[in-house]
Amino acid sequence: ETGVTQTPRHLVMGMTNKKSLKCEQHLGHNAMYWYKQSAKKPLELMFVYSLEERVENNSVPSRFSPECPNSSHLFLHLHTLQPEDSALYLCASSQEGWGILDFTSTDTQYFGPGTRLTVL
Amino acid sequence: AQKVTQAQTEISVVEKEDVTLDCVYETRDTTYYLFWYKQPPSGELVFLIRRNSFDEQNEISGRYSWNFQKSTSSFNFTITASQVVDSAVYFCALSEVYSGGGADGLTFGKGTHLIIQP
Repeated sequence: ETGVTQTPRHLVMGMTNKKSLKCEQHLGHNAMYWYKQSAKKPLELMFVYSLEERVENNSVPSRFSPECPNSSHLFLHLHTLQPEDSALYLCASSQEGWGILDFTSTDTQYFGPGTRLTVL
Repeated sequence: AQKVTQAQTEISVVEKEDVTLDCVYETRDTTYYLFWYKQPPSGELVFLIRRNSFDEQNEISGRYSWNFQKSTSSFNFTITASQVVDSAVYFCALSEVYSGGGADGLTFGKGTHLIIQP
C-alpha cells in the first residue's frame, strides 16, 4: 500500500538553512508519525500526532519543529541542523482507536518512502 | 520500557534456501502488537504482518511464516525457498496498546540485512 507520500525525496542543506519536509497520507488515517533512521541505528520515533494534536515528543532537539495542520498532512521544519542530523526521515500514518476494545484501531503504521537528508 | 532485539545483523544464504530471522522483545504490558516490516534498497518500509499478544497462532502467507511464542518473548520470521527479491533489511517492531486511546509509536529492532545470493 503506497498511500503515504513524502517530499522531497532527497535534500542537501547547509547548517544555516531552513527547510521543511512534507508528508501526506491518502488513507483516511487519524494519526501520523515522524521517524529518524540513521546508519547502524534502530529507527527512532521523533513525533506522534493523533487527531492533529501532538501526543509524544521523544526529547527531540528544538531545531526540529513538527506541524500537523490537518489529519492528512504533516510537516517537519528544519533549522540550524548539525551534520549528525543527516539521516533518512520517514513519515508514517495509522488509524487509531480509543481503547483496547475499539476495533477501529489497526495500530498498523504505513510508511512513506522517506526523505534522505544530508547536512553539510 | 519496551525493547526489541534482532541479534542477527546480516544473513547471507543461497537462493532457494530457507532462512529464519529472529526477534526477541521485552515489554511490561500484557497487551501489545508485534510487527515485521521489509525495507528494500529503495528505502520504503513495507508492512508484512501484525500480530496481537492474545493470538499465538502461527501464520503462513505464501513463502512467509511467523512463529509467535509468548513463553520465550519471540516472534520469528521464516522465508521458505528464498528468492533474490527477498534481499532487504527486515525489521521487527513492538507497539504497546495505549489503553487510554490514541496513537503510540513503534519500537523497532536494529534490523537484519538479508542477502539472497543467486
